[in-house]
Amino acid sequence: QQPVQSPQAVILREGEDAVINCSSSKALYSVHWYRQKHGEAPVFLMILLKGGEQKGHEKISASFNEKKQQSSLYLTASQLSYSGTYFCGTEHRAGGTSYGKLTFGQGTILTVHP
Amino acid sequence: DGGITQSPKYLFRKEGQNVTLSCEQNLNHDAMYWYRQDPGQGLRLIYYSQIVNDFQKGDIAEGYSVSREKKESFPLTVTSAQKNPTAFYLCASSTTGRTSGRGNIQYFGAGTRLSVL
Repeated sequence: QQPVQSPQAVILREGEDAVINCSSSKALYSVHWYRQKHGEAPVFLMILLKGGEQKGHEKISASFNEKKQQSSLYLTASQLSYSGTYFCGTEHRAGGTSYGKLTFGQGTILTVHP
Repeated sequence: DGGITQSPKYLFRKEGQNVTLSCEQNLNHDAMYWYRQDPGQGLRLIYYSQIVNDFQKGDIAEGYSVSREKKESFPLTVTSAQKNPTAFYLCASSTTGRTSGRGNIQYFGAGTRLSVL
């Protein structure tokens, strides 16, 4: 089952903050966040493992709520370079062939204006 | 310089033709994956392989075939049975450590854009 991302699109001015959510109906082992620019490959941002941790990368951080089967990506003081489509990928580890296998959400389009 | 190489960047398929997309990695990863991305959509898994000579169907395997004869290579064939092949195809690779404390991060190639003539 595909994780659900919200919102579907966000429009920001430079310097504003945004939160992107990812919810799963199945128990999560890990959540992976990627950013994709138009016509390019997705670029890995960060991974959150089972344990409810929060991680940070420059002004982008994320949290993982194992109980609620949710992850949120926080972008603070956004820059023009943050524009793109953000995907979460969820890993469930349901069996022997599922290690590393991800199911991706439908994406959140983030647009940052000057 | 480690990475994943996909070729060609653009590919055109004629009616009834099979075409093969190449994916090579030198990251020494055990697992490799093929995804299809349609405009404005997320990534859908076609096939994946966690070890040489073994692979599993993903969510949309119909009309596609793969092989995994070498660790470094995971070619995808789009067969004539795939009636709507126009899409952006992405290959990825990762480790598969079951006890890896850092998780199994997938790294992507630059993609192949397939169109029908």
